[in-house]
Amino acid sequence: AQKVTQAQTEISVVEKEDVTLDCVYETRDTTYYLFWYKQPPSGELVFLIRRNSFDEQNEISGRYSWNFQKSTSSFNFTITASQVVDSAVYFCALSEAPNTGTASKLTFGTGTRLQVTL
Amino acid sequence: DSGVTQTPKHLITATGQRVTLRCSPRSGDLSVYWYQQSLDQGLQFLIQYYNGEERAKGNILERFSAQQFPDLHSELNLSSLELGDSALYFCASSDPGTANEKLFFGSGTQLSVL
Repeated sequence: AQKVTQAQTEISVVEKEDVTLDCVYETRDTTYYLFWYKQPPSGELVFLIRRNSFDEQNEISGRYSWNFQKSTSSFNFTITASQVVDSAVYFCALSEAPNTGTASKLTFGTGTRLQVTL
Repeated sequence: DSGVTQTPKHLITATGQRVTLRCSPRSGDLSVYWYQQSLDQGLQFLIQYYNGEERAKGNILERFSAQQFPDLHSELNLSSLELGDSALYFCASSDPGTANEKLFFGSGTQLSVL
């Protein structure tokens, strides 16, 4: 069975600090996808990134960066120079490979609540 | 705006009642997924439909059912409601098989069972 663990329940930082959100996953699949979603106070789920298991390149998008390490089954998310608008709950998720026909059935972690204050 | 529309946004009802949640996927997306977000269970996959047919089932109770219509909109029916069914219900859509497939979520229906 698939499992995603986000050990950090809540993190508080002061604006402009860097913060890393941890994600550890378990799967028996050799091909899978990893995701990060953001849930701001308004409640909707906003897609941030999708990474497949064959692509271990780190990715940077503006102030966001992701570190995928297959050897440790981790897919960590770093926000550089955090801002108040980054305050939200962040979910890491895992999905099966496309050839199972259920590519987007996601297993979510429990989320990390990030609070950024002035 | 994800392009996925869910109605209603809020629903308040009593135990034992039945409700229907509606979802319109993004234009062109063939798959619809339903997820439940509750305080104790977190975000859980309920069920997936693809082009009108059930494709995958998750932790969906027997009191719950769903369908996807020819115009691809979907409904989630919750019956014999219990207090523990109070949750945020998300619909998501995707176009399976695309090179960069990902789920787009609606803004959710907040269900309160009193």
